Amino acid sequence: GAGVSQSPSNKVTEKGKDVELRCDPISGHTALYWYRQSLGQGLEFLIYFQGNSAPDKSGLPSDRFSAERTGGSVSTLTIQRTQQEDSAVYLCASSLGQSRSYEQYFGPGTRLTVT
Amino acid sequence: KQEVTQIPAALSVPEGENLVLNCSFTDSAIYNLQWFRQDPGKGLTSLLLIQSSQREQTSGRLNASLDKSSGRSTLYIAASQPGDSATYLCAVRRGDSSYKLIFGSGTRLLVRP
Repeated sequence: GAGVSQSPSNKVTEKGKDVELRCDPISGHTALYWYRQSLGQGLEFLIYFQGNSAPDKSGLPSDRFSAERTGGSVSTLTIQRTQQEDSAVYLCASSLGQSRSYEQYFGPGTRLTVT
Repeated sequence: KQEVTQIPAALSVPEGENLVLNCSFTDSAIYNLQWFRQDPGKGLTSLLLIQSSQREQTSGRLNASLDKSSGRSTLYIAASQPGDSATYLCAVRRGDSSYKLIFGSGTRLLVRP
């Protein structure tokens, strides 16, 4: 079946602009995660959704970052007033159900470049 | 605070060689450990998931072991092929209520024809 999809695959934006990144999880997966991969920091957790709720937002780096999920499916990560340090690959993952035993399956990522 | 370390950072081997990638973690109270591969410019592909109660998992030429008490996991790749060239990442999920994965920095593997 279809895997996790993300759009756009690449995004170049000017400093100070807002951007929206989209994630479509695997159908039927109720858990959804956002991670960020940057050269200096490796792969870091941002936020976790169970259904439409976000019980763990501990990885969001600042209040410029927000995320929502609607209909228990698609999620959008929004970065306001982008800064150059926001340049990274943003990865989305999903897993089946609420159990922590389940594997996380990752999408191809969105490469964000802030100029 | 859980920290995950992978050694070596890079590895180059001739085709056909058996190899071992290492992953260590500082807090043995983990829920499970997952191995991924990442090809350049691509997302992560899940390879193996080991629950904390398990000692190893196998998939084809891959075998992952887990020793929680010593804070170590190894990924064994048998009869390596050029197509195995990628970055291999391990990630742990803490034993508390956390759902997030904590990643190591990866081992970049090159298998030479």
